[in-house]
Amino acid sequence: RKEVEQDPGPFNVPEGATVAFNCTYSNSASQSFFWYRQDCRKEPKLLMSVYSSGNEDGRFTAQLNRASQYISLLIRDSKLSDSATYLCVVNEAGRRALTFGSGTRLQVQP
Amino acid sequence: GAGVSQSPRYKVAKRGQDVALRCDPISGHVSLFWYQQALGQGPEFLTYFQNEAQLDKSGLPSDRFFAERPEGSVSTLKIQRTQQEDSAVYLCASSSRQEGNSPLHFGNGTRLTVT
Repeated sequence: RKEVEQDPGPFNVPEGATVAFNCTYSNSASQSFFWYRQDCRKEPKLLMSVYSSGNEDGRFTAQLNRASQYISLLIRDSKLSDSATYLCVVNEAGRRALTFGSGTRLQVQP
Repeated sequence: GAGVSQSPRYKVAKRGQDVALRCDPISGHVSLFWYQQALGQGPEFLTYFQNEAQLDKSGLPSDRFFAERPEGSVSTLKIQRTQQEDSAVYLCASSSRQEGNSPLHFGNGTRLTVT
């Protein structure tokens, strides 16, 4: 079983739609959580950290459920420019390396 | 250029050749990581440096893979006797802090194709 699991998609949604991705992680000792965004043939870039109380950054909302070991990302009012792969990322306690999921591909259509 | 710089951008190697991939991290960043990303997959951790010390090499897939960062800045990932399964994008990332929750700044990678 992979340490971080995501639905690969693709999620095809119209502009303006709300879309949500979930991610599950296997190590209950995981401490830090992130969403990264990766455009086609580009490097991953940090989208947002995920805090225990949930957090929002504009149209993006991230939530963490430690009991069920899952993380979610909600995107409201989707834009064409949101089309990308969204990578769920976890950091285990005592370990410096980040563990990436395989990503969920989002395609926003006009 | 304030970002992480990697070279070459593309490398084609014949099976059995040795390759060396270079990473210039952001100036002053103490933490440096190498990741391998196969097509359609997320980045897989290879190794981590804190300054010149290689603190974690648990992700290196075989003893054909070797990384160094002798002066705590530029790093080189070397792959000996390349195999077709080594074909992937090799990503370097750096971070200004040692904590696990500090964001990674990635370079745009070296795409290695082994024929």
